[in-house]
Amino acid sequence: EAQVTQNPRYLITVTGKKLTVTCSQNMNHEYMSWYRQDPGLGLRQIYYSMNVEVTDKGDVPEGYKVSRKEKRNFPLILESPSPNQTSLYFCASSPRGLGEKLFFGSGTQLSVL
Amino acid sequence: QKEVEQNSGPLSVPEGAIASLNCTYSDRVSQSFFWYRQYSGKSPELIMSIYSNGDKEDGRFTAQLNKASQYVSLLIRDSQPSDSATYLCAVRLAMYSSASKIIFGSGTRLSIRP
Repeated sequence: EAQVTQNPRYLITVTGKKLTVTCSQNMNHEYMSWYRQDPGLGLRQIYYSMNVEVTDKGDVPEGYKVSRKEKRNFPLILESPSPNQTSLYFCASSPRGLGEKLFFGSGTQLSVL
Repeated sequence: QKEVEQNSGPLSVPEGAIASLNCTYSDRVSQSFFWYRQYSGKSPELIMSIYSNGDKEDGRFTAQLNKASQYVSLLIRDSQPSDSATYLCAVRLAMYSSASKIIFGSGTRLSIRP
């Protein structure tokens, strides 16, 4: 089944404790992206990747890191999480660029205490 | 001014009626426009895309685009309770040549009442 898999689905952590949210797609998509969703603010792009080893900042990259060592994986790293990073996170992919459909993962609800 | 604006709702529509969802955008040369549906606690899913002025129909859904007015809308005919969800408008901004920039509106919550 074609899908974007995110883990974990829920995560509660404390300020400053490094964490990684994993994202994997099995559709051989070139483009992958991370979004956060907050009430009243919609989906905001954190980072994106056009292909392996090619990543760039989105609208809200502060406090996040990403890497794209393999085409299928695009992990999101929070080196020192803070409470303002409490949010619902989505990973998404599309075959090439953004004139095409985005396939979303099921989301990760992160709470930073 | 937000780059993509939607009325947050909730928009309440009786079952069987037409639901009309609206979206305005600020980038005059935007080229690609999308409507995503998001059920509560779920991820967004694409329901319509439109690239040129006019109407595009798919089943009960019609997307309408007016680039001169920088306006895109989604009509849902014969609304069903299963249409109750948040609808996200998304616009690909042409100013970014890497084709990597897509902006989402904050969404309109639609409620279909029996």
